[in-house]
Amino acid sequence: DAKTTQPNSMESNEEEPVHLPCNHSTISGTDYIHWYRQLPSQGPEYVIHGLTSNVNNRMASLAIAEDRKSSTLILHRATLRDAAVYYCILRGGANSKLTFGKGITLSVRP
Amino acid sequence: DSGVTQTPKHLITATGQRVTLRCSPRSGDLSVYWYQQSLDQGLQFLIQYYNGEERAKGNILERFSAQQFPDLHSELNLSSLELGDSALYFCASSVRGRGPNTGELFFGEGSRLTVL
Repeated sequence: DAKTTQPNSMESNEEEPVHLPCNHSTISGTDYIHWYRQLPSQGPEYVIHGLTSNVNNRMASLAIAEDRKSSTLILHRATLRDAAVYYCILRGGANSKLTFGKGITLSVRP
Repeated sequence: DSGVTQTPKHLITATGQRVTLRCSPRSGDLSVYWYQQSLDQGLQFLIQYYNGEERAKGNILERFSAQQFPDLHSELNLSSLELGDSALYFCASSVRGRGPNTGELFFGEGSRLTVL
């Protein structure tokens, strides 16, 4: 599985936008970029995914670099409930597993 | 609520014992995945089943085994338990149908195993 690199942690203020970076320089052409998050004491939760184009959904936006070697998860207005570990994962192949790294721990200050 | 049900939520047992963790996927989901999460190892993929057949295997110990039944529920069996097996065990299922590459995984709340 191609690897991703994320900072260990990030802090943000409530109601401000948050940009969580991810590097994946060895991404292959068929790899999708997935983001999951894990709130304290819960199972991981899907956030968003994309292939080449930027994506938006009700939770977040995903900005993908033109060369696909990096991406950024954008939370438009952080809330206290967004404090979690965010995982950037490359997923290749039909019905394939997700390989989780260490993720980035997001703290949100009131 | 993800729709994935795991039982039991908590389990305390002794070294050398055997336990079975159960997972009911979301209705219609054909793929089931098992993950182990411990403090020092993070989320580790164990095994995946698709419609009753093993699809992928991760770092699953030989003392562990799993299966997926015709009704699509899955069980993870852990035997000869050691202290180091204490962890959260998560089950996930993928979206309905054949689970395309882009399909999201839905995770249960996990089963917390404590081995004393």
